[in-house]
Amino acid sequence: EDKVVQSPLSLVVHEGDTVTLNCSYEVTNFRSLLWYKQEKKAPTFLFMLTSSGIEKKSGRLSSILDKKELFSILNITATQTGDSAIYLCAVYNTGNQFYFGTGTSLTVIP
Amino acid sequence: KAGVTQTPRYLIKTRGQQVTLSCSPISGHRSVSWYQQTPGQGLQFLFEYFSETQRNKGNFPGRFSGRQFSNSRSEMNVSTLELGDSALYLCASSLGGGVLTFGAGSRLTVL
Repeated sequence: EDKVVQSPLSLVVHEGDTVTLNCSYEVTNFRSLLWYKQEKKAPTFLFMLTSSGIEKKSGRLSSILDKKELFSILNITATQTGDSAIYLCAVYNTGNQFYFGTGTSLTVIP
Repeated sequence: KAGVTQTPRYLIKTRGQQVTLSCSPISGHRSVSWYQQTPGQGLQFLFEYFSETQRNKGNFPGRFSGRQFSNSRSEMNVSTLELGDSALYLCASSLGGGVLTFGAGSRLTVL
């Protein structure tokens, strides 16, 4: 059965901390892995990763994919209260289907 | 450029009723997919439409159905509502190729 597992399920950190969110997957016919941020309602796109070992970076956020070990990490450095959200990992396969993890709920305390 | 628009945003129904949710994708996006989000289950894939054809379907009972019109707008219908159908229903559109753009969702409460 195709699945995506995220860990931890939730975490609470203080402003300025660095966090690492994990996403492992078992999805046949892998095409890409995507990260989304969901603050209130609509998830918003962060990164799409297709190749192993190539880091994608946007400001304080970065992500990398390991297609051999079937996982990805999302790093957030110097966290801010505005980073508080649910972070979703999704895998897209060649059958045009998405598989989402249950998400990691991040709370950043001032 | 308008985003993905979902209506209604909130609705309350009672068990046994049926509901129809609407989604207008970003102009030019031909793929529309639907997801159910609940606290314990995360995002569960319902179905995906591309050019009016259902291309993929998730593991939901037949009470959940959908369709896509020629202008790419999509509707999903849930018949004979159950308490467990209470959830946030998210619609997403894409050009194809992997990046989904989500709407704000329709929050359904079944009493």
